[in-house]
Amino acid sequence: NAGVTQTPKFQVLKTGQSMTLQCAQDMNHEYMSWYRQDPGMGLRLIHYSVGAGITDQGEVPNGYNVSRSTTEDFPLRLLSAAPSQTSVYFCASGQEAPNEQFFGPGTRLTVL
Amino acid sequence: AQSVTQLDSQVPVFEEAPVELRCNYSSSVSVYLFWYVQYPNQGLQLLLKYLSGSTLVKGINGFEAEFNKSQTSFHLRKPSVHISDTAEYFCAVSQKGNDYKLSFGAGTTVTVRA
Repeated sequence: NAGVTQTPKFQVLKTGQSMTLQCAQDMNHEYMSWYRQDPGMGLRLIHYSVGAGITDQGEVPNGYNVSRSTTEDFPLRLLSAAPSQTSVYFCASGQEAPNEQFFGPGTRLTVL
Repeated sequence: AQSVTQLDSQVPVFEEAPVELRCNYSSSVSVYLFWYVQYPNQGLQLLLKYLSGSTLVKGINGFEAEFNKSQTSFHLRKPSVHISDTAEYFCAVSQKGNDYKLSFGAGTTVTVRA
């Protein structure tokens, strides 16, 4: 199993550009989530999904969209990138409560 | 809502010395507690978790943590650290009944020196 994979590893955007961060898992997990990691703030939940077709907002959802059309994939879309979205983004997946979440390697995003 | 406070942002320690990382949480309901480790330029890996039962939890790489409900704490310990333990450590909590949503502390950077 590859576990949780994320692409790209690095990305540089200009303010106002849009892009999609990809996340896939091959563990048949129902639960998937996106976090952003900023220095001194730990990880903050952006959006999460408890199954295909079901998504919900986390702590910091503004400026991001998600969809979950399949169990395996959970892309994160930045509609109009802003410098405040410069961060490291982690995708995670898990199965059943209590949720041990498995994390991907991360995407480092810089918005100029 | 729950929240997590990690009381030390940086902990320098000599090799083979013990280390303790402090974590306090707040929640109006019962919780599950986790410690994750992040090695440089990598994702997060689960060290250990407390779900129920014995308050002393043992994890990977010789780490253990003790759940103290009265003090709402979940401190992480290792009796003898190695250079390879240099990493950032995150305490996280989820609420029972809403346990797919993790709240993380700000992290503690452990630097092990020879």
